[in-house]
Amino acid sequence: DGGITQSPKYLFRKEGQNVTLSCEQNLNHDAMYWYRQDPGQGLRLIYYSQIVNDFQKGDIAEGYSVSREKKESFPLTVTSAQKNPTAFYLCASRQGGDNEQFFGPGTRLTVL
Amino acid sequence: QKEVEQNSGPLSVPEGAIASLNCTYSDRGSQSFFWYRQYSGKSPELIMSIYSNGDKEDGRFTAQLNKASQYVSLLIRDSQPSDSATYLCAVKLDPNAGGTSYGKLTFGQGTILTVHP
Repeated sequence: DGGITQSPKYLFRKEGQNVTLSCEQNLNHDAMYWYRQDPGQGLRLIYYSQIVNDFQKGDIAEGYSVSREKKESFPLTVTSAQKNPTAFYLCASRQGGDNEQFFGPGTRLTVL
Repeated sequence: QKEVEQNSGPLSVPEGAIASLNCTYSDRGSQSFFWYRQYSGKSPELIMSIYSNGDKEDGRFTAQLNKASQYVSLLIRDSQPSDSATYLCAVKLDPNAGGTSYGKLTFGQGTILTVHP
């Protein structure tokens, strides 16, 4: 099955810890995105990548880091510098030249 | 002023009625417009995209775009209880607008729709 997978589905973190969220796609899409969603709010862009080994900051990149070493993978690290990390994290991808973005199932991160 | 605005609702309609969801955007350079449906606890699912002025129909869904008024809407005909969800409007800037915004979507906060039997 082609699609976007995110793991884990639920993640609990203690304050001061870094955690890495996985995003993998087998759609051969060029561009990948990370969004954050808080209750009652729309999605806000954290980072995006249009090609391998290149990525750009989105609107709320502080406290996050990413890498894009392979076309199919775009992991997101939530660092201890992120002051309010509890949220629903969504990964998306888009084929180059197409406009439509498709989302993975998401990871719900809770800081204890 | 928010870049993409939606009435957060909740919008409640009876089963079989037409649900009308509205979205306004501030950037006249916006080129592409999308409607996503998000069930509680799930990720957004793309249901409609529209790129030119006018109407676009897909089954029970009709998207309407008016670039002069900076307005995009989604109509759901014959609403069903299974349509109850949050509907997110998303807007993409013209990639020729410059900067690093290529491919970036800006989302509204979503409208909660409830269809009651």
